[in-house]
Amino acid sequence: EAGVAQSPRYKIIEKRQSVAFWCNPISGHATLYWYQQILGQGPKLLIQFQNNGVVDDSQLPKDRFSAERLKGVDSTLKIQPAKLEDSAVYLCASSLDLRGGGYEQYFGPGTRLTVT
Amino acid sequence: AQTVTQSQPEMSVQEAETVTLSCTYDTSESDYYLFWYKQPPSRQMILVIRQEAYKQQNATENRFSVNFQKAAKSFSLKISDSQLGDAAMYFCAYRRDDKIIFGKGTRLHILP
Repeated sequence: EAGVAQSPRYKIIEKRQSVAFWCNPISGHATLYWYQQILGQGPKLLIQFQNNGVVDDSQLPKDRFSAERLKGVDSTLKIQPAKLEDSAVYLCASSLDLRGGGYEQYFGPGTRLTVT
Repeated sequence: AQTVTQSQPEMSVQEAETVTLSCTYDTSESDYYLFWYKQPPSRQMILVIRQEAYKQQNATENRFSVNFQKAAKSFSLKISDSQLGDAAMYFCAYRRDDKIIFGKGTRLHILP
């Protein structure tokens, strides 16, 4: 079974530029998550989708971050314009479902973003 | 609001010994899930163990076990017979439906 795929693995941009990350979840997983993990901290949930609908985006900085999951499969997270404090690893994860909260999340390798 | 606290930023243990990582959380809910995830250096995060709050019995997965104290809101992870491959960041996480919160993590070093 293929795992969660993410690209690119690394990205370096200057502040005020834009960047996009892509995630392909495990086949059949209804729920997809994007996390931001700043160095030395735990992952912070940015947004989660159930199929192609947004379940929770309360911690997504909507003035600069956007995400979509067209057709309920792969997803794109965009930052425009980037700030220095956006430097972090962006993790994508998927699970079979979210109802109840007990389903295991499978994580991708992450995209390490450096904003200079 | 729910919170998850891991009070030990780093820990070290001798190979083959036992180590316990601490986690406390705060919630007003009675039904939820707790998880321990492992993140090896430059590798993907993987699930170590899961505990349903409605179950009194502590979860066990081979060398990994938890001490779940619901009233105290404590969820510690015990690793027995530590191996070099156990070296990683360990994250405690709380989840209820669409609410997911991770602690800041504990970096575990295994001393040969």
